[in-house]
Amino acid sequence: KAGVTQTPRYLIKTRGQQVTLSCSPISGHRSVSWYQQTPGQGLQFLFEYFSETQRNKGNFPGRFSGRQFSNSRSEMNVSTLELGDSALYLCASSLRGTGGAKRNTEAFFGQGTRLTVV
Amino acid sequence: GDSVTQMEGPVTLSEEAFLTINCTYTATGYPSLFWYVQYPGEGLQLLLKATKADDKGSNKGFEATYRKETTSFHLEKGSVQVSDSAVYFCALTNNAGGTSYGKLTFGQGTILTVHP
Repeated sequence: KAGVTQTPRYLIKTRGQQVTLSCSPISGHRSVSWYQQTPGQGLQFLFEYFSETQRNKGNFPGRFSGRQFSNSRSEMNVSTLELGDSALYLCASSLRGTGGAKRNTEAFFGQGTRLTVV
Repeated sequence: GDSVTQMEGPVTLSEEAFLTINCTYTATGYPSLFWYVQYPGEGLQLLLKATKADDKGSNKGFEATYRKETTSFHLEKGSVQVSDSAVYFCALTNNAGGTSYGKLTFGQGTILTVHP
């Protein structure tokens, strides 16, 4: 069974540009979450998509956005890049269903996309 | 909001030493608790998990017990190997109020280095 696939693995962009990152979840997984990892802030939750709808969002500016397609693949976009956006962006997929108090299923992570803004 | 606090790192041990990495959390309701490991240049891998109080998660010689009374989930291993060198993250998910689906809250991570 293929794991979570993130593309590209590495990106170098200049300030002011925009970037799109892609995440293909494990087959059958309908939930995709995105995280930003930096040395200073650690791992921070960006947003989660389930059934093509954003269900949860972290404390990031509106320059960070995402979407999910009918096949559960997800993209995140960062517009007007800043130097501080340099980070490892991780995607995770899970089998999360809807409703219920204990739908905490295991999240599987991709290898990440290393974004460098110069 | 929810939060996770890990012991200050990094941790340096000799091979076959005993490992403890402390983790405490703050959350309403009954969160699920996880330990993830990240090897250099890689994403995160789930090491173990516990979904209710007094549960013990275990994997590859690592163990952690969900202690609700002390809000803790400390990671232990009786005898570490050089191959255990990595960054370890304690994390939780909490569906209290139904607003935190799909969100993992992480601790700051602990760098473990094991010398031969």
